[in-house]
Amino acid sequence: AQTVTQSQPEMSVQEAETVTLSCTYDTSESNYYLFWYKQPPSRQMILVIRQEAYKQQNATENRFSVNFQKAAKSFSLKISDSQLGDTAMYFCAFMFGTYKYIFGTGTRLKVLA
Amino acid sequence: DTEVTQTPKHLVMGMTNKKSLKCEQHMGHRAMYWYKQKAKKPPELMFVYSYEKLSINESVPSRFSPECPNSSLLNLHLHALQPEDSALYLCASSQAKGLALPPGTDTQYFGPGTRLTVL
Repeated sequence: AQTVTQSQPEMSVQEAETVTLSCTYDTSESNYYLFWYKQPPSRQMILVIRQEAYKQQNATENRFSVNFQKAAKSFSLKISDSQLGDTAMYFCAFMFGTYKYIFGTGTRLKVLA
Repeated sequence: DTEVTQTPKHLVMGMTNKKSLKCEQHMGHRAMYWYKQKAKKPPELMFVYSYEKLSINESVPSRFSPECPNSSLLNLHLHALQPEDSALYLCASSQAKGLALPPGTDTQYFGPGTRLTVL
C-alpha cells in the first residue's frame, strides 16, 4: 500500500525566514509524481510545486523548492523569504497509476509578523 | 482559465432530504474527481470520472451517487445522508491519462468546495 507521512502537524516561521516542511512516502511503484498543495483558510486547494519521480533535478517555483531524495523516499518543501500569505495547511501528495492521488495528513504553517 | 467552480458553497440538509452538488470546469479536462474532507484532515478520494465514465469508486456508500453528464460537469447526488457525512466536498479536475501529454498535465485543479451539514 502507498502511504504519505507528514510528521510535523504544525509549524511556525517568522516573516522573511526560511522553513522546511517534511514529507516521506512509501511505495513500490517506479513511476509516480509528487506534489505539494497549499490550502489557505479560505479552503481552496492550490498546487505549490510538483516533481516527477524520474527526474533527479529538484523542482523550484520562485520561493518554493523541494529536496527530493528518491532512495530515501523523502520529498521536503522549502519556503524561502516566508510571507504572511504563506499561512496555510500544506499537503504532500503522491500520484501513481491512473488517477490515484494520496494525500499526507498535512502541516499547518503559520507565518508570524 | 484554470478555474473549477462548485455550487452551492454551503448546504444544510436533513437526513431525509435529496440534494445535489455541482462542479464545473472549462479547461478541457477529461478527468474529474470528488473528494470528502473533514476538518483538519486530508482530502479522501471518493470517485473519479474519466471521459465521462466512472473510473474509480472508493467503496463509497450508495447514498452518494455521482454523475458526469458531459465533459465539463460533475454532479454528486445526495440522499438519506447521515450526520457523519457532514464535511467539505471538493471537486477537482485534471487531464485524462492514456494520452501523450506534456509534463504537468497530471496536476489536479481544485474547486473551493461545498460545506455540507447534515442535521
